[in-house]
Amino acid sequence: AQSVTQLDSHVSVSEGTPVLLRCNYSSSYSPSLFWYVQHPNKGLQLLLKYTSAATLVKGINGFEAEFKKSETSFHLTKPSAHMSDAAEYFCVVSDASGTYKYIFGTGTRLKVLA
Amino acid sequence: DAGVTQSPTHLIKTRGQQVTLRCSPKSGHDTVSWYQQALGQGPQFIFQYYEEEERQRGNFPDRFSGHQFPNYSSELNVNALLLGDSALYLCASSWRTGSTEAFFGQGTRLTVV
Repeated sequence: AQSVTQLDSHVSVSEGTPVLLRCNYSSSYSPSLFWYVQHPNKGLQLLLKYTSAATLVKGINGFEAEFKKSETSFHLTKPSAHMSDAAEYFCVVSDASGTYKYIFGTGTRLKVLA
Repeated sequence: DAGVTQSPTHLIKTRGQQVTLRCSPKSGHDTVSWYQQALGQGPQFIFQYYEEEERQRGNFPDRFSGHQFPNYSSELNVNALLLGDSALYLCASSWRTGSTEAFFGQGTRLTVV
């Protein structure tokens, strides 16, 4: 069965400093992995996705993630945080057994300090 | 392209009542999935519809049921509402035989009092 673990429930960074949000996954299949962002009272927006192509995935708003099979990790990074990055971030693995249902992590709330 | 649209955006119901939530998928998508996101939690998969049939179901009781129409739109019905059903309900649409990427609507905030 697939699962994801987001290692930090809360992360605080200063504006202009790097962001690292950690995610480990478990999957019986070659996984599809995603990062979604959710701003307060908003729906989910896709940041980036990994689907067995390049292991370094670039997404929107300067975010990127690296798929490391040996470490079963898919950490999200950004070189320089902006105030607008403050939100909830979800790591997601797709059940590739045929129905493509999503399995979400518990989320990481990113706080950006001025 | 309107994307995934859900209605209503908010509603308040009383314990024991029934509720119907609606979702129109993104143009060209044929698969609709529903998720429940309780406060402070990640979304949990409820079920998925394709070709007007429920294809897979998460760990939710039979009080949760759904339907998909020939135009691919979908409804989520919840009977005998409990306080614990209060949550944000998200609809996601995708293309069954295409990319694994799903697109999410803004959600319906259900409050049960």
